[in-house]
Amino acid sequence: QKEVEQNSGPLSVPEGAIASLNCTYSDRGSQSFFWYRQYSGKSPELIMSIYSNGDKEDGRFTAQLNKASQYVSLLIRDSQPSDSATYLCAVMNSNYQLIWGAGTKLIIKP
Amino acid sequence: AAGVIQSPRHLIKEKRETATLKCYPIPRHDTVYWYQQGPGQDPQFLISFYEKMQSDKGSIPDRFSAQQFSDYHSELNMSSLELGDSALYFCASSLGKTGRTGELFFGEGSRLTVL
Repeated sequence: QKEVEQNSGPLSVPEGAIASLNCTYSDRGSQSFFWYRQYSGKSPELIMSIYSNGDKEDGRFTAQLNKASQYVSLLIRDSQPSDSATYLCAVMNSNYQLIWGAGTKLIIKP
Repeated sequence: AAGVIQSPRHLIKEKRETATLKCYPIPRHDTVYWYQQGPGQDPQFLISFYEKMQSDKGSIPDRFSAQQFSDYHSELNMSSLELGDSALYFCASSLGKTGRTGELFFGEGSRLTVL
């Protein structure tokens, strides 16, 4: 079992709908959680960080953290074709190592 | 705003040759990370430096070495190159009192092709 797991996708969502991306982690002592977006052939770009249980909203993006269930999710409202990318979940574990998920490929269909 | 600068952007080498990649972090960032990303794979952590000292080591082959200099720029040296070393190499920097932050800012990457 990988320390950080994501569905590889692709996840296909119609334009204007809500895209929901999920990530689970195994180290219960993890404290910091991050979502990065990566376009094909480009570098990862930080879009959300979340440190405490609950929801954190930033524009069309909402990160949700549930430490008891050890999952973190990213919701993208009003999905746009430009949101099509691979979304990487990264978790800072109890050893202060940043562990990356394999990424979920998101496709927004016009 | 200044970003992380990597050079060269593209590099073609023969097997068994040596390559050096350079990274200039965002000014005042105290931590530099090196990642390797193969096609369709997540970034694989190689090594990191906090305040010019190696802070963590990942899946970096013994053929590779890295250092961070007094001006905070970092270099990744790769020797005895193999076909499997062909990948995108990303440098990232971050700012944190202890260097333990997951908010990384990435450079555009250096694409290494080994023939």
